[in-house]
Amino acid sequence: GQQVMQIPQYQHVQEGEDFTTYCNSSTTLSNIQWYKQRPGGHPVFLIQLVKSGEVKKQKRLTFQFGEAKKNSSLHITATQTTDVGTYFCAGLVEGSGDKLTFGTGTRLAVRP
Amino acid sequence: GAGVSQSPSNKVTEKGKDVELRCDPISGHTALYWYRQSLGQGLEFLIYFQGNSAPDKSGLPSDRFSAERTGGSVSTLTIQRTQQEDSAVYLCASSLMRPNTGELFFGEGSRLTVL
Repeated sequence: GQQVMQIPQYQHVQEGEDFTTYCNSSTTLSNIQWYKQRPGGHPVFLIQLVKSGEVKKQKRLTFQFGEAKKNSSLHITATQTTDVGTYFCAGLVEGSGDKLTFGTGTRLAVRP
Repeated sequence: GAGVSQSPSNKVTEKGKDVELRCDPISGHTALYWYRQSLGQGLEFLIYFQGNSAPDKSGLPSDRFSAERTGGSVSTLTIQRTQQEDSAVYLCASSLMRPNTGELFFGEGSRLTVL
C-alpha cells in the first residue's frame, strides 16, 4: 500500500542545535500537512503545503514541499526544550481519494 | 462543541470483553478518522468516514473491530472479544472539508488497557 516514511525515527539534540525531519512518499502527494504531538498529548496541526517547491516559515520552523511533491522537510533552528515531541507529516496521496496518510513520525528529544 | 470529544478517556477491561469507544466530532465536520497509537509508536490508521460515502475500512486489523457513524456526526468504534494486543490509545480526528484544504482536529484519545 501507499507509505509515507519519515527519517530519522528518533533524534536527540542539544538545546540550541538545529533539527530536520524528512518525509518521503513513494507516490505524488496533492498536499502535505505537518503535526506535532507533545508527550502524552494528541497531534496538533502545524501547517499545510500545497504547491510544488513551496516553503513556509513559522518562527524557528521552516517547512518545504519538494518540487516533485513526493517529499517534504521540517527544519527547526536553534531547538528549545519546548520543541520536544513527535513530528508527523501527513499527505493526500494522489489517486487514493481524499484520505490523509500519516508518516511514521520523528521523535525529537532536546537536552537542556 | 469546542473540540473533538472522546469517551471514555480511560478504559480497563478484561480479555474477551467487548468495548465501545465514542467520538463526538466538531459540529459540521464531514470527515472523521479513527487511529490507534501504541506507546511510543506512530499513528495506525483504522477507518475513515467522509460525508455519506462508504467508509474506508482498510485499516481495521481484524473482524473484531467495527465502527459506525450515525447521522454524519457521532462515531462509535467497537472492539469485540478484546485481546491484550488491543491495548493502546485510540484517537479520533475530524476535519471540516476534504483533507486537501482542512486540517485534522484530534480528540484527547481513549486509552484502552486489556488485562
